Amino acid sequence: EAGVAQSPRYKIIEKRQSVAFWCNPISGHATLYWYQQILGQGPKLLIQFQNNGVVDDSQLPKDRFSAERLKGVDSTLKIQPAKLEDSAVYLCASSLAQGRTEAFFGQGTRLTVV
Amino acid sequence: GNSVTQMEGPVTLSEEAFLTINCTYTATGYPSLFWYVQYPGEGLQLLLKATKADDKGSNKGFEATYRKETTSFHLEKGSVQVSDSAVYFCALSPPAGTALIFGKGTTLSVSS
Repeated sequence: EAGVAQSPRYKIIEKRQSVAFWCNPISGHATLYWYQQILGQGPKLLIQFQNNGVVDDSQLPKDRFSAERLKGVDSTLKIQPAKLEDSAVYLCASSLAQGRTEAFFGQGTRLTVV
Repeated sequence: GNSVTQMEGPVTLSEEAFLTINCTYTATGYPSLFWYVQYPGEGLQLLLKATKADDKGSNKGFEATYRKETTSFHLEKGSVQVSDSAVYFCALSPPAGTALIFGKGTTLSVSS
């Protein structure tokens, strides 16, 4: 079974530029998550989708971050404009269902904002 | 609210030593509990899980028991190997359908 695919693996941009990350979840997984992991910390949820609807985006900085999951499969996360503090690993994960279940993670995209 | 607290690292051990990484949680209702591991340069991998009180999750020699009375889910391994060097995250999945909540992670370094 193929895992969660993410691209790119690494990205370096200057502050105020824009960037986009792509995620393809495990086939059949209805729930998709984007997490931000700052160096030395645990992953923090940015947004959770159930199919193509948003379940939780309470911690997404909506003035600069946006995400979509068209057709309930692939997802993209965008940052515009980027700030230095956005430097982190962005992890995509998926699960079969919501609540009390494990999530499967991609390898992440390491973003460096200079 | 829901939260996870795990012991701060780094934890430095010699090969074949006994490992304990403490994890306690605060949750509404009865969450599922997980340990994830992150090897250098890789994504998070599920190590083990427990879905109800007194359940013991186990995998690759690691064990953790869901203790409702002490709200704990401590990770243990009887004899660590150099290849166990990684960052370990305790996490909970609330019953209400919201996403996994992670602790800050504990770095384990095992030397030969």
